[in-house]
Amino acid sequence: DAGVIQSPRHEVTEMGQEVTLRCKPISGHDYLFWYRQTMMRGLELLIYFNNNVPIDDSGMPEDRFSAKMPNASFSTLKIQPSEPRDSAVYFCASSLGGVYYGYTFGSGTRLTVV
Amino acid sequence: GQQLNQSPQSMFIQEGEDVSMNCTSSSIFNTWLWYKQDPGEGPVLLIALYKAGELTSNGRLTAQFGITRKDSFLNISASIPSDVGIYFCAGRITGGGNKLTFGTGTQLKVEL
Repeated sequence: DAGVIQSPRHEVTEMGQEVTLRCKPISGHDYLFWYRQTMMRGLELLIYFNNNVPIDDSGMPEDRFSAKMPNASFSTLKIQPSEPRDSAVYFCASSLGGVYYGYTFGSGTRLTVV
Repeated sequence: GQQLNQSPQSMFIQEGEDVSMNCTSSSIFNTWLWYKQDPGEGPVLLIALYKAGELTSNGRLTAQFGITRKDSFLNISASIPSDVGIYFCAGRITGGGNKLTFGTGTQLKVEL
């Protein structure tokens, strides 16, 4: 299995532009998670899906952030408009359900908003 | 949101030394996991624990699920240069479904 695949690996964009991050989870995993990592706040859960349905989006910072999972093999995290404080590494992770499974993380997308 | 408190925040040790780190929470957890993150990569699962008091090993790594269910410990024996990285604890709160809460991380640096 190729693992969780994220694209792009790096993104540099100007303030005010729309940014779309993409994720392909491991086939068969029914949970998908979006995390943001910064030095100040560590790993923060933004939103997670179960069977393509958003379950908890309480970590989404504000209305500028939105996430979708149109099917079991693809998810997007969109920021519109982007701001410099959105600069961070964004991770996607997937897992099977139940307490006996850990998450498998992708390699992340490093976002820089200038 | 809630974060787990990890200590120490960073460690600088000599190659061959043993390493200990721990994670504490005010909530009761039903699962404890330990991850390692290398630079430029996502966290990778090292060890998973499912029962209070459980002690589990993975090579030179040993982790324990605290009896109170509010803490966990990770030990690395005879550290080597490739142990360098950030170690995160993570846990599932009882009744919290499949959501993992991550610790603040312990940065490990190994001196040759």
